[in-house]
Amino acid sequence: KNEVEQSPQNLTAQEGEFITINCSYSVGISALHWLQQHPGGGIVSLFMLSSGKKKHGRLIATINIQEKHSSLHITASHPRDSAVYICAVIFSGSARQLTFGSGTQLTVLP
Amino acid sequence: KAGVTQTPRYLIKTRGQQVTLSCSPISGHRSVSWYQQTPGQGLQFLFEYFSETQRNKGNFPGRFSGRQFSNSRSEMNVSTLELGDSALYLCASSWRERGTDTQYFGPGTRLTVL
Repeated sequence: KNEVEQSPQNLTAQEGEFITINCSYSVGISALHWLQQHPGGGIVSLFMLSSGKKKHGRLIATINIQEKHSSLHITASHPRDSAVYICAVIFSGSARQLTFGSGTQLTVLP
Repeated sequence: KAGVTQTPRYLIKTRGQQVTLSCSPISGHRSVSWYQQTPGQGLQFLFEYFSETQRNKGNFPGRFSGRQFSNSRSEMNVSTLELGDSALYLCASSWRERGTDTQYFGPGTRLTVL
């Protein structure tokens, strides 16, 4: 069964801390997306990657295709980073639809 | 450039009714995907349209349908509403199809079925 697992489910950090959110998937993929969802529902696409590493400001996303694992890092975390972070993948050879992880609720305290 | 818009933002219906939700993609985007988000099931893919053709459909009953117009605007329809259809319905648009491109999400339509 094609599955996406995220950890941790909930994460509380102090402002300034380095944060890591993990995403593992069961079989090969063609692409992986990291999404951010704020209270109220709006979703913003942070990264789409199929290999290597991408950086945007304080956010870094990495993917290890062999280990079927991706991480999202936030450096120098800030209370405005508080949101739900969702990993979504497209499994290779599938109907090429996004399959979502259950999300990680991040709270950054001032 | 205007973002993805969805109308209405909030909707209350009763069981057995039907509902139509609308999504206007970013100008120039030809792919529109629909997703359902519930507290129990999380985010789930409903269907994708590209150039007026349904390219992909998730595991939802036939009560859920959609279409795309020549200007890329899309509508989804849910007939014979059930309590379990209460959810946030999100659409996303992109240049290319099949999730191989950055997806731009709309604000969502929150549907409550009483």
